[in-house]
This record gives sequence, C-alpha cells and structure tokens, in this order.
Amino acid sequence: DQQVKQNSPSLSVQEGRISILNCDYTNSMFDYFLWYKKYPAEGPTFLISISSIKDKNEDGRFTVFLNKSAKHLSLHIVPSQPGDSAVYFCAANDRNQFYFGTGTSLTVIP
Amino acid sequence: IAGITQAPTSQILAAGRRMTLRCTQDMRHNAMYWYRQDLGLGLRLIHYSNTAGTTGKGEVPDGYSVSRANTDDFPLTLASAVPSQTSVYFCASSNNLAGAGGELFFGEGSRLTVL
Repeated sequence: DQQVKQNSPSLSVQEGRISILNCDYTNSMFDYFLWYKKYPAEGPTFLISISSIKDKNEDGRFTVFLNKSAKHLSLHIVPSQPGDSAVYFCAANDRNQFYFGTGTSLTVIP
Repeated sequence: IAGITQAPTSQILAAGRRMTLRCTQDMRHNAMYWYRQDLGLGLRLIHYSNTAGTTGKGEVPDGYSVSRANTDDFPLTLASAVPSQTSVYFCASSNNLAGAGGELFFGEGSRLTVL
C-alpha cells in the first residue's frame, strides 16, 4: 500500500506563474520530507526538504509547506521557469527508509 | 567528484539468467539503497543497507538480493530474471547516522530489459 501519494500525475503551468505540487502521506511516523526533481535518463536530484518540526522551508524559488494534521505537504515554485519542467517526487523518511510518491510531471509553458 | 556510479547503464537480458547491477559510492555514506522506477508506480525501495555488513528488505524485495561487504559497494543481484523485473534501477546513498535529516544521493540509473 502506497504510504506516500501524489494524486496528480501531471501539471501544466504558464511561465512566470506559480506551480503547486501536492503530496499526501499515511504514516504518522514520517519525520522528514523531501522533494526530488528528475529529468529523463537521469537520476533524481534533491531539491528541498522539511523536518516534521517545521511547517515551512524556503529556498529561493522553492518553498515546501507541511501540514502534519492533514498529513499533507506541498511544493511551491514561483516564478515557474521552462527549466523547471521535470518529474517531481515527494519522499518521506521513517527510520532511515525513504518512501517515494508516484511523481508529478510538471510542464512549464514558455 | 564521482558520487554514485552504477553499471551497466543499460542491459538486455534473457529470462532465467542471473544479473548483478553494480553500485559504488565515493562519499563514505553509511547507508545505501536500491530502488526501481516503473511508470505509474514511482520509485519503490527494493533493499537497503544502513551500514556495511547489514542489509534489509524494502517494499519489493522478492527476486532480488544484495550484499554490503564494505562501505562503498552495494551490488544488486537478480538470481533468475523475469520479465516483470524490466525496469530502471537506481542506487542511492545517504549519510544519516544522526537519523532523520539525511538526503538521498542517486546514481544515473541502470535500465534493465528482461525478455
């Protein structure tokens, strides 16, 4: 059973606008959450993370929000750029095991 | 800086054959992982190792085995490949001795096709 879920397989956004990618989880033991970006034929690369003791972490154009009561996190990218077009994976950590969602393919339209 | 090196990058294999995917890291990370990526299923953990000499089962371990003889190497073996093991395999490592907070570093992937 999928413990980390990304219910939107794809998302299209106009360049310059905000991209919001969502992620839900079921395991309340998860204490660290990460977002990864993946281009075709490459390995995933780390983007941003958040500890369960925080509700927001910001790094440049990328902000991750965590709502523990709702078991929900989101990644905001603003402004979106064409180079942001990739597959984004949400991940959660429990006792050194990382569980990934199914990914959301983001397309930023110039 | 090499990071994580996987080999081969691509392989076509007949069903029933034995195959070992190699993974080496030069970051001295304590933990290593093997994931497979399949369309619509995301990245699923096959096996992991928190330190040299120890291994554990992930979400989809059946049909796979691993070993961790030293810190740097974490090979994944398919004893008798089946077509459902056709996938892209990613090796990853993490320096997470302190517990939560370590990020995963991934290799470039090994694309395996079992016919």
